[in-house]
Amino acid sequence: NAGVTQTPKFQVLKTGQSMTLQCAQDMNHEYMSWYRQDPGMGLRLIHYSVGAGITDQGEVPNGYNVSRSTTEDFPLRLLSAAPSQTSVYFCASSSTRGAYEQYFGPGTRLTVT
Amino acid sequence: AQSVTQPDIHITVSEGASLELRCNYSYGATPYLFWYVQSPGQGLQLLLKYFSGDTLVQGIKGFEAEFKRSQSSFNLRKPSVHWSDAAEYFCAVGFTGGGNKLTFGTGTQLKVEL
Repeated sequence: NAGVTQTPKFQVLKTGQSMTLQCAQDMNHEYMSWYRQDPGMGLRLIHYSVGAGITDQGEVPNGYNVSRSTTEDFPLRLLSAAPSQTSVYFCASSSTRGAYEQYFGPGTRLTVT
Repeated sequence: AQSVTQPDIHITVSEGASLELRCNYSYGATPYLFWYVQSPGQGLQLLLKYFSGDTLVQGIKGFEAEFKRSQSSFNLRKPSVHWSDAAEYFCAVGFTGGGNKLTFGTGTQLKVEL
């Protein structure tokens, strides 16, 4: 049981480049989410999904896109990377049936130059 | 919107000393509350959670937390800290009707002196 996996672990982009951060979970969780973590700011919600085909914006969605075609996968796309998107990105999943605690992936450290 | 405050950015304790990390939230309804721990370069691991019932909850690694509705607090405690407890700790809150969305505090960095 792998839990929540994220790839890549590290990435360096140039301003204006695009890329996709991958997230997958094998726990059959309905809810998946993306956070960014910046020093002194805790974790801020970017986008989330309550099931395949359903996504919604979180607190800081600008510059990011998501889609959810399967229960297992929830990729995060950066359309045109900016230095302000330098951060550590975490994917998380949880069941929508009463438990609510979120399980986190190991994170992707992204640097935009 | 709900918010979570962790007033202590950094805390240093000696190994073997007791620990209390503070967490306050603002929301009118009964929240559900979590504490997570993050070791350097790692993801977040759940320490404990409160949904309802007994207001004193036990977690992993010898941690406990107490929900105090009158103070809107959910402070994390450990009677005797070990050097391996050095990490960053995050309090998070969700609420009934909010689905699975959580709001996180800004974290408390714990340093343990040997």
